[in-house]
Amino acid sequence: AQKITQTQPGMFVQEKEAVTLDCTYDTSDPSYGLFWYKQPSSGEMIFLIYQGSYDQQNATEGRYSLNFQKARKSANLVISASQLGDSAMYFCAMRQEGGTALIFGKGTTLSVSS
Amino acid sequence: DAGVIQSPRHEVTEMGQEVTLRCKPISGHNSLFWYRQTMMRGLELLIYFNNNVPIDDSGMPEDRFSAKMPNASFSTLKIQPSEPRDSAVYFCASSLGPPPLHFGNGTRLTVT
Repeated sequence: AQKITQTQPGMFVQEKEAVTLDCTYDTSDPSYGLFWYKQPSSGEMIFLIYQGSYDQQNATEGRYSLNFQKARKSANLVISASQLGDSAMYFCAMRQEGGTALIFGKGTTLSVSS
Repeated sequence: DAGVIQSPRHEVTEMGQEVTLRCKPISGHNSLFWYRQTMMRGLELLIYFNNNVPIDDSGMPEDRFSAKMPNASFSTLKIQPSEPRDSAVYFCASSLGPPPLHFGNGTRLTVT
């Protein structure tokens, strides 16, 4: 069955350090997409980055990059040079098999300290 | 540039009452999704529509929940009768074709 797993309930990092948030997935669909969202304490869901299963290069968006290892079925989010404003819950998601909805992992809470 | 608009932002009601949550998707988007977020279960897909037609409602918990999309710019999620275990944040999201989904700010529902 299709599944997204985020094993780190909480991560702590200091400002300006890089941090990696883990995500593993399982799907039988040969073509799929992986997404990361940020949910700050205010509650909104903010789309960060997307990786297609056939993309040759890892996706990057500013300070966000996706470490995509297809054989390991992992799609880890890397945030470089952490900022206090990065403190939030981060969700990994993938497109539902045969549909357009997203299924989400349980999330990882990131806390950035000064 | 208006995003997905949900109303109300907060709703407090008593058990047994009917609750209606509203959503206006981004103009031009043809897919609309309802999610529920709780601490225990995380983000769950309840139902989604393509071109106003319900495609997958397998996540709707029970017959007390119903969703409609009468036109491309409006959707409702209704709970009747409401129960305390329905307390959650309900998100509406929309997209133009495949993801990413664009989320509204959510409705925090408390049923006492």
